[in-house]
Amino acid sequence: AQSVAQPEDQVNVAEGNPLTVKCTYSVSGNPYLFWYVQYPNRGLQFLLKYITGDNLVKGSYGFEAEFNKSQTSFHLKKPSALVSDSALYFCAVSGLGSGNTGKLIFGQGTTLQVKP
Amino acid sequence: DGGITQSPKYLFRKEGQNVTLSCEQNLNHDAMYWYRQDPGQGLRLIYYSQIVNDFQKGDIAEGYSVSREKKESFPLTVTSAQKNPTAFYLCASRTGRNTEAFFGQGTRLTVV
Repeated sequence: AQSVAQPEDQVNVAEGNPLTVKCTYSVSGNPYLFWYVQYPNRGLQFLLKYITGDNLVKGSYGFEAEFNKSQTSFHLKKPSALVSDSALYFCAVSGLGSGNTGKLIFGQGTTLQVKP
Repeated sequence: DGGITQSPKYLFRKEGQNVTLSCEQNLNHDAMYWYRQDPGQGLRLIYYSQIVNDFQKGDIAEGYSVSREKKESFPLTVTSAQKNPTAFYLCASRTGRNTEAFFGQGTRLTVV
């Protein structure tokens, strides 16, 4: 069965410092991995995705994510955090392989708080 | 403008009533999804559909029903069998398994 884990409910970072939001996944076959951001009472906005190729993926607003197959992880990173990055972040996975039915499964979400 | 539209934005339901949440997309996407969001529990998949006239249960389908009669539309009915329906409901669509999903702005359902 597909699953996603975001082990941290909240991440606190000072503005200008690097940030990391963690994500691990479980899926049969090769994974398709996604990061989204949500602002209060809004829908989710897509940040970036890993489908195949380079393990380091670059996305919107200066975010990037590193795919690590051996650790089944897809951590979200940014070299220098902004106060405006404060939001709720979700990792998601869908799989390719026999038995994969097109499900798109999300983690529990991680609240990122960037302090001035 | 292409996009995905959910309506209404806020919905109030009396206990024992069925209510239907609307989700419409003009992105020509094959797959559509319904999620429920509760504080601290992330997004949980209710139902999804990969093609017209076909849909599958997600992880928390009990007390909900859907239809997919048109490619553009994927309404969700919250039935009286759903014991705790107060939540934020999100609809999404995408082309295929390796593409990102686009989300609507959500419907906040409250039982009164």
